[in-house]
Amino acid sequence: GAGVSQTPSNKVTEKGKYVELRCDPISGHTALYWYRQSLGQGPEFLIYFQGTGAADDSGLPNDRFFAVRPEGSVSTLKIQRTERGDSAVYLCASRTSGNTGELFFGEGSRLTVL
Amino acid sequence: QKEVEQNSGPLSVPEGAIASLNCTYSDRGSQSFFWYRQYSGKSPELIMFIYSNGDKEDGRFTAQLNKASQYVSLLIRDSQPSDSATYLCAVNMEYGNKLVFGAGTILRVKS
Repeated sequence: GAGVSQTPSNKVTEKGKYVELRCDPISGHTALYWYRQSLGQGPEFLIYFQGTGAADDSGLPNDRFFAVRPEGSVSTLKIQRTERGDSAVYLCASRTSGNTGELFFGEGSRLTVL
Repeated sequence: QKEVEQNSGPLSVPEGAIASLNCTYSDRGSQSFFWYRQYSGKSPELIMFIYSNGDKEDGRFTAQLNKASQYVSLLIRDSQPSDSATYLCAVNMEYGNKLVFGAGTILRVKS
């Protein structure tokens, strides 16, 4: 597709369950970012991939959060033992490479933990 | 100190006025700066980017950068009701490619 695609668009789960959120970046974009956005806040950096490797995962809040990008394209954000505080919109974004250039965002995955 | 700071607002301006949005950042070595607009319930979209000190103009938008003061601003001339949104300042940290966003400033343009 032409843009960044995220699935699911909405996910409701129960506390303690495991969740996977998928991101399909723009074709050819080597840099992929995951952010989390709560109501009234700016996007909070979680992790950044350059190719297949996580170049910076300093924003992952704890070891319940993990992300992979095995082939350098699609990425999956995995959240174990979800907590109510994990409820937020999870945004994925991609750009060509480097530290310049526009970051293109997907429409986000809204996660609600009951 | 937060890495990127913005006044949350809301900033209210009348239609046709100039809206001035401000942002400060903590990493003195940062080299690239971005302004994103986010409508309610939507994802951020890029408005402007700036890399060099001074002003950069694009239509009704002007970005201003002062690296010595670690300050970035966005001016919107002839503000329109359709400009009402949250404006996010984003800064690329010096080391690596971590792009950090501020909390955003809510702008309301009253017709």
